[in-house]
Amino acid sequence: QVQLVESGGGVVQPGRSLRLSCEASGFTFTGFGFHWVRQAPGKVMEWVAVIWYDGSKKYYADSVRGRFTISRDNSKNTVYLEMNTLTVEDTAVYYCARDYGGIQWSQNWFDPWGQGTLVIVSS
Amino acid sequence: QSVLTQPPSASGTPGQRVTISCSGSSSNIGSNTVNWYQQFPGTAPKLLIHSNNQRPSGVPDRFSGSKSGTSASLAISGLQSDDEADYHCAAWDASLNGWVFGGGTKVTVL
Repeated sequence: QVQLVESGGGVVQPGRSLRLSCEASGFTFTGFGFHWVRQAPGKVMEWVAVIWYDGSKKYYADSVRGRFTISRDNSKNTVYLEMNTLTVEDTAVYYCARDYGGIQWSQNWFDPWGQGTLVIVSS
Repeated sequence: QSVLTQPPSASGTPGQRVTISCSGSSSNIGSNTVNWYQQFPGTAPKLLIHSNNQRPSGVPDRFSGSKSGTSASLAISGLQSDDEADYHCAAWDASLNGWVFGGGTKVTVL
């Protein structure tokens, strides 16, 4: 069964850091790239970052570039999102999603998604 | 404010056809494929349509997608109470160098 399970969310003060994890199972982890997508309460979904299947490329949304770092550990079938200098605007449910499709990655889609982990940035 | 524009809500009676629009620009929908995701309250999004009009296995053929120019549409025919959910469109944006989403459309079955 193809599955993604996020963890690491919680309540954190502004300016602090948090690391999210996304453990994958049920498929060949090294064959796929992964995304992080977040959704603030009652708001639009926002793509956050992507990491290539081999970790060679990483791209970030402007809103998090320089503060967030996406990485992967193929030995643990896990993708990470290291979040630094958090602000209240980073409060959201963070979803991990597998990149799926073909060679032309800009035409790919997200499938499946994990259940999400809630990050609340508050003093 | 989202890069892709969707109506905030849509509704219909059981059996009716409902259409949801997703409007973008030449840098996203105009030059890339559109994907649609279904999300029930409190749950993760699920892929509904990819590559403009392709249904993954398991998705009923009541759901269909189309694209023309810088706009895309999701149609739900034979509306059922189980279809009550939020629907999000998404595409790659070459100008922003990232994926962009619509604001989501809440479908209500009257």
